[in-house]
Amino acid sequence: GAVVSQHPSWVICKSGTSVKIECRSLDFQATTMFWYRQFPKQSLMLMATSNEGSKATYEQGVEKDKFLINHASLTLSTLTVTSAHPEDSSFYICSAAVDRNEQFFGPGTRLTVL
Amino acid sequence: GEDVEQSLFLSVREGDSSVINCTYTDSSSTYLYWYKQEPGAGLQLLTYIFSNMDMKQDQRLTVLLNKKDKHLSLRIADTQTGDSAIYFCAEMGRNRDDKIIFGKGTRLHILP
Repeated sequence: GAVVSQHPSWVICKSGTSVKIECRSLDFQATTMFWYRQFPKQSLMLMATSNEGSKATYEQGVEKDKFLINHASLTLSTLTVTSAHPEDSSFYICSAAVDRNEQFFGPGTRLTVL
Repeated sequence: GEDVEQSLFLSVREGDSSVINCTYTDSSSTYLYWYKQEPGAGLQLLTYIFSNMDMKQDQRLTVLLNKKDKHLSLRIADTQTGDSAIYFCAEMGRNRDDKIIFGKGTRLHILP
């Protein structure tokens, strides 16, 4: 149980285009979903926290107009990278939380912007 | 701000025990975690410990927590080649609305 999926797993796009990444909790309802970004050889950086039906809370330094988060239901959150640039290339990981105890991580999405 | 520190590399011979250490600064930590990241894969939760526990054992894994020193360790007994991965220490802080802070990860290399 407690499976989180992400789609796509790897996406390559041209500079200036927008990319949407989906995060789904497959067999449970997540009260909260988190979006992380992992730079090469670095730890995960929390980008934003989203609760179903409310606006996402963004971490300091993360542009909310560039990284749009929509938490449409208790099982789906989407991250849209708008007007992507090469510096946005990274590994994006979501996690879904059932309660305060555990977060279940998705497999990650590798974004490459040409 | 709050911080989680761990060494970046560890090399261990196959069959020996691996001990990965981690220190953190947040005194409001409620849960502490160890995650495993295999090449090209997402994070996998290995184990976690509640902050009022000293030790947790799960098969080959032993977690030790010294809350006074804010020191967490993960011991992997009888290390196998499949244990080769990056291990992330993380902690959840009550005063941070349950957000998790990760260390930079320790890359465990298994020597034949």
